[in-house]
Amino acid sequence: GAGVSQSPSNKVTEKGKDVELRCDPISGHTALYWYRQSLGQGLEFLIYFQGNSAPDKSGLPSDRFSAERTGGSVSTLTIQRTQQEDSAVYLCASSLDPAGGPGTQYFGPGTRLLVL
Amino acid sequence: QKEVEQDPGPLSVPEGAIVSLNCTYSNSAFQYFMWYRQYSRKGPELLMYTYSSGNKEDGRFTAQVDKSSKYISLFIRDSQPSDSATYLCARGGNFNKFYFGSGTKLNVKP
Repeated sequence: GAGVSQSPSNKVTEKGKDVELRCDPISGHTALYWYRQSLGQGLEFLIYFQGNSAPDKSGLPSDRFSAERTGGSVSTLTIQRTQQEDSAVYLCASSLDPAGGPGTQYFGPGTRLLVL
Repeated sequence: QKEVEQDPGPLSVPEGAIVSLNCTYSNSAFQYFMWYRQYSRKGPELLMYTYSSGNKEDGRFTAQVDKSSKYISLFIRDSQPSDSATYLCARGGNFNKFYFGSGTKLNVKP
């Protein structure tokens, strides 16, 4: 079956512009996660959705970052007024049920964002 | 102090060698750990997870947790060039948040 998909796969933007990153989770997966991976760094947790609600937004680095999820499916991560330090790979993961344990998170291929 | 510390490598070994990858963690409150493998320009994929101390084996891979020293390890036997990737260790938090190491880049030479 289809895995987690993300679009675009690459995005180059100018400093100060807004960008939207999209994640399509595996069908039926109720939990969705956004992570950021900078060069040489591990995965940095950004936000978690259970259904359409986000009980944990603690990882969002600033108020320029926001995310939403609609219909319990597709999620969009928006970065406003992008800065060069926002350049990174943004990864999305989904799982059937967060209570199902750590073995159930499936990652997408990521969106590579470059802010010039 | 980072939640999970991992040597970034790179680690280069000949084909057939036994590989040892290691991480340390700081918070003992959560006792499940994971190893992910990430190929270049791909998302991470789960290799193994364990809930407790001791060893867990899956084919050529063995995950080991030492709670007394807060040390987690991944051993790869009979390493293959196809094992060349970045390996990420992670500690579970609440079910909605994992803490990842920075990853160790492994290169297995034919």
